[in-house]
Amino acid sequence: TAGITQAPTSQILAAGRSMTLRCTQDMRHNAMYWYRQDLGLGLRLIHYSNTAGTTGKGEVPDGYSVSRANTDDFPLTLASAVPSQTSVYFCASSPLGTESDTQYFGPGTRLTVL
Amino acid sequence: AQTVTQSQPEMSVQEAETVTLSCTYDTSENNYYLFWYKQPPSRQMILVIRQEAYKQQNATENRFSVNFQKAAKSFSLKISDSQLGDTAMYFCAFHSKAAGNKLTFGGGTRVLVKP
Repeated sequence: TAGITQAPTSQILAAGRSMTLRCTQDMRHNAMYWYRQDLGLGLRLIHYSNTAGTTGKGEVPDGYSVSRANTDDFPLTLASAVPSQTSVYFCASSPLGTESDTQYFGPGTRLTVL
Repeated sequence: AQTVTQSQPEMSVQEAETVTLSCTYDTSENNYYLFWYKQPPSRQMILVIRQEAYKQQNATENRFSVNFQKAAKSFSLKISDSQLGDTAMYFCAFHSKAAGNKLTFGGGTRVLVKP
C-alpha cells in the first residue's frame, strides 16, 4: 500500500508564478490536511478537508487554496508564489477527522520560491 | 489557543543509552490527545507514540515510552537502548476537539545517537 504520495518531491519556483502541489492517498481516509514546516516552528496547518466536497482554513491559509473533488486527492495551489512560501509542505490524512484520530503524513514537497 | 513547547533544541546520546525529551503544553481542555512524531533525515514524519489524556497509564511502544503528567501539562518521551536509527528530529504534538482539526506541534528536538 502506497499510503500518501506527494508530487513533486522538490521544486524551485519563480516569484509570481502559480503552482499546484499534488497529494493522493489510497487509504480511503475521510480527512486530509496540508501543513508547512519551517525551521524551529514545527508544522503549521494551512488547510484541511473533513470529507470530499468540504474544505476549511487552518492556521496559515493566506496565499493558498485547496479543493477536494474526491476522497483520494487534495491538491494545494499557490496562485502567485512569494519567497515567504519557501518551505517544506506535508500532506496528511486521517480516518475520520476527529480529535482522536492519528494523522499519517506523506513524504513532503520542498518548495523554494526565488 | 493551545501551545506546545519543546525546550531542548538538540540532544546527543551514546548508543544503547537512554535519552528523555521534554514537552510541555498549554490548554484549558480536559480531553485531548498527545503524540510524538519522528522525522529522520529522509523527511518522512513517522508516528512514534500517542497518549489519550483520559488514560492515566503511560503509553509504551517497544523502546519508546512517555511520562504523561496531566496536572503539570507535561509529556516527555523516553528512548531506551538508543540505536543509530533513532537519530532524527522529534516533534511533540497536541490535538483536541477545541483545536479543531489542527495538530499543534512543538518546535522539535534534534536527537543525535553516537556510536
